[in-house]
Amino acid sequence: NAGVTQTPKFQVLKTGQSMTLQCAQDMNHEYMSWYRQDPGMGLRLIHYSVGAGITDQGEVPNGYNVSRSTTEDFPLRLLSAAPSQTSVYFCASRLRGPGNTIYFGEGSWLTVV
Amino acid sequence: TQLLEQSPQFLSIQEGENLTVYCNSSSVFSSLQWYRQEPGEGPVLLVTVVTGGEVKKLKRLTFQFGDARKDSSLHITAAQPGDTGLYLCAGDYGGSQGNLIFGKGTKLSVKP
Repeated sequence: NAGVTQTPKFQVLKTGQSMTLQCAQDMNHEYMSWYRQDPGMGLRLIHYSVGAGITDQGEVPNGYNVSRSTTEDFPLRLLSAAPSQTSVYFCASRLRGPGNTIYFGEGSWLTVV
Repeated sequence: TQLLEQSPQFLSIQEGENLTVYCNSSSVFSSLQWYRQEPGEGPVLLVTVVTGGEVKKLKRLTFQFGDARKDSSLHITAAQPGDTGLYLCAGDYGGSQGNLIFGKGTKLSVKP
């Protein structure tokens, strides 16, 4: 049972570098999202998608891009990494509709130096 | 912008004690979920409450949804060290996107 798979688990970037966090789910969920988790801030929504070809911004989208070419994959791109983007990133997916369980990946720890 | 206030932020108790975590909003939820997160892992769903006044029990954990669907509580009876972790509430305000708003979490430490 793969569920939601995120890679890489850990990454160190230099300021200004770009990178992509990969996310894949095998549950045929329409809805996928990326959150960042910082101490004392809880989980904050970066971008989300309600289906292939459809993406939208969440609460903290600046500095990040996403695309959804397939139902299964939802990569998150950091265009020019900044120290403020040091965080733990979680990809999640769920079926659309109220009350449905959201499934999280195991997280990607990103440090920008 | 909907806000979800969760309290307390930190809780350190002895094994066997009881505790309650609160989650409050000025807006009405269509549903509310409680998650538990262990270090190095993603949050895992504990329960979803949908109906105002609803009470759900999961072993020693009791979840309550307020009558007006603006607040919720998690009560743990006779806490054990295995209950240690970060507890998160997340509200679904019924938007078409299905986005959840998360509280900032309660970090619980249960000492033996």
